[in-house]
Amino acid sequence: GAVVSQHPSRVICKSGTSVKIECRSLDFQATTMFWYRQFPKQSLMLMATSNEGSKATYEQGVEKDKFLINHASLTLSTLTVTSAHPEDSSFYICSAKLAGGSSYNEQFFGPGTRLTVL
Amino acid sequence: AQSVAQPEDQVNVAEGNPLTVKCTYSVSGNPYLFWYVQYPNRGLQFLLKYITGDNLVKGSYGFEAEFNKSQTSFHLKKPSALVSDSALYFCAVRDFNQAGTALIFGKGTTLSVSS
Repeated sequence: GAVVSQHPSRVICKSGTSVKIECRSLDFQATTMFWYRQFPKQSLMLMATSNEGSKATYEQGVEKDKFLINHASLTLSTLTVTSAHPEDSSFYICSAKLAGGSSYNEQFFGPGTRLTVL
Repeated sequence: AQSVAQPEDQVNVAEGNPLTVKCTYSVSGNPYLFWYVQYPNRGLQFLLKYITGDNLVKGSYGFEAEFNKSQTSFHLKKPSALVSDSALYFCAVRDFNQAGTALIFGKGTTLSVSS
């Protein structure tokens, strides 16, 4: 149980285009999802916290107009990289947290999406 | 603020020898601690976690970690390393009482096991 999927797994796009990445919790409901970004051989940096039905909370330094997050249902959050540039090339990983306010609820991670902007 | 430190960028061990990957943390409340492993171009795989109870936590693939409150450490260990253990390891933490917050990750430690 507790499986999180991401689609696509890899995407290559031209500079200036927009790319949408989906994060789905397959067998549980997630009121909260998190988006991380990972550069090669570096750690996961939290970009934003996505709460179902409300606006995402972005970490300092993350442009909310560039990285659009939509959490329209309890099983789906999307990250759209708008007007992508080569410096946006990275590995994007989402995680989903079981619905409910229990402190024991942990995050389950998706397999990641490799974005390459040419 | 929460933070995680993994002081070693890389750990090298010979196959069959014990391994330790170090992690120290800082949280304002009680720590909820995790270890994950990542293979090239793959997502994170959960190894183990600590919430409360026994300070020695056993996890997947023969790994274990020891929680030390006084030293604020949560070092990952394995009695006998395998070449297949070579990967990138991340320690992560959040404040246990802040249920809605994300995990904060250390910078990662590359484990290299030689045959």
